[in-house]
Amino acid sequence: AQKITQTQPGMFVQEKEAVTLDCTYDTSDPSYGLFWYKQPSSGEMIFLIYQGSYDQQNATEGRYSLNFQKARKSANLVISASQLGDSAMYFCAMREGSGGSNYKLTFGKGTLLTVNP
Amino acid sequence: NAGVTQTPKFRVLKTGQSMTLLCAQDMNHEYMYWYRQDPGMGLRLIHYSVGEGTTAKGEVPDGYNVSRLKKQNFLLGLESAAPSQTSVYFCATLRQLINTEAFFGQGTRLTVV
Repeated sequence: AQKITQTQPGMFVQEKEAVTLDCTYDTSDPSYGLFWYKQPSSGEMIFLIYQGSYDQQNATEGRYSLNFQKARKSANLVISASQLGDSAMYFCAMREGSGGSNYKLTFGKGTLLTVNP
Repeated sequence: NAGVTQTPKFRVLKTGQSMTLLCAQDMNHEYMYWYRQDPGMGLRLIHYSVGEGTTAKGEVPDGYNVSRLKKQNFLLGLESAAPSQTSVYFCATLRQLINTEAFFGQGTRLTVV
């Protein structure tokens, strides 16, 4: 079974509008972390935001926020006021485990976001 | 502070040739990973290491070998390259604490002809 599912292969958004990129995850571990990475066409992996399984509040980093719904096992990325430079591939990832086994890091297949002027 | 450095950045191999990709980190991270990225497939884990002298298989290990003789270096070897190994390879490192993100190298674009 897929650990991380990103159901949107591609998304389009108008500049200055908000967009939500979906991510659902599957784990039975009570301790885990969820991450979003951005990969522009230049290829590097850029860390955007982190949400821990025990965090009570949704994570925010500037224009990025993570809509964490634990019971639904979803961790959607919300980008507010989209900019042309936001056009990129976006990956959701999960780090599972506690204690000595917290080394598993699994990625989804990604969502290609295109911001239109 | 270089972070995570992958060598080489680009390489073209002929089928059957061998090569080694080097991942070097200066952050003293415990865990290191090799992923391959193919269109529509996301990042798939090839091998990983949880410490010096240890290695383990990931999701797609066939055709690859790894070694971690020193904590700061993680090597990925292709003994007999095949066209199916044409891909972009990423090395990543992690600290042991769960609330920290992975740091990535800049990637290696490998073409096997």
